[in-house]
Amino acid sequence: RKEVEQDPGPFNVPEGATVAFNCTYSNSASQSFFWYRQDCRKEPKLLMSVYSSGNEDGRFTAQLNRASQYISLLIRDSKLSDSATYLCVVRGPGGSYIPTFGRGTSLIVHP
Amino acid sequence: NAGVTQTPKFRVLKTGQSMTLLCAQDMNHEYMYWYRQDPGMGLRLIHYSVGEGTTAKGEVPDGYNVSRLKKQNFLLGLESAAPSQTSVYFCASSYSTINEQFFGPGTRLTVL
Repeated sequence: RKEVEQDPGPFNVPEGATVAFNCTYSNSASQSFFWYRQDCRKEPKLLMSVYSSGNEDGRFTAQLNRASQYISLLIRDSKLSDSATYLCVVRGPGGSYIPTFGRGTSLIVHP
Repeated sequence: NAGVTQTPKFRVLKTGQSMTLLCAQDMNHEYMYWYRQDPGMGLRLIHYSVGEGTTAKGEVPDGYNVSRLKKQNFLLGLESAAPSQTSVYFCASSYSTINEQFFGPGTRLTVL
């Protein structure tokens, strides 16, 4: 089983739609969780950290389910500009230096 | 703050040539990383550093060397470039082992 798994997609949705991605992780001792966005041939950029109680940033909501070992990202009112690849990243426990990246989920928002 | 910068942005090499990629960060981060990303593939860790003067191998270290002589800089060297090293190279840094990473804009390398 891969350490961090994501559905590669692509998720093809119309503008204005709500779309959700999940990411599962295998190490129950993982401590921190992030969603990154990567545009084609550009560097990954932090979209949001994921907190235990869940957190929201505008149209984006992230959730963590430690019992089932997954994190989720919900995008409401999708925009054309949301088209990108979304990477799930898991870090920790504290002695582990190397973050674990998912392979990414591709989102295409069409008019 | 400039964050993480990388030089050069683009480079074309001939097989067998050598080059050094420079990564610099101004956030006083301890941890620095070099990744490569190939079309349709995820990020693969080449080498990383947990502090000035330290380096360690990642997932795909063969054909690369690194140095971290100063805390703010992390250099990636290719001693004898091969076409298989054609890729986009990203540098990243983080404050701790559980904080987020910040990425540089990448170096696009082509080896002919």
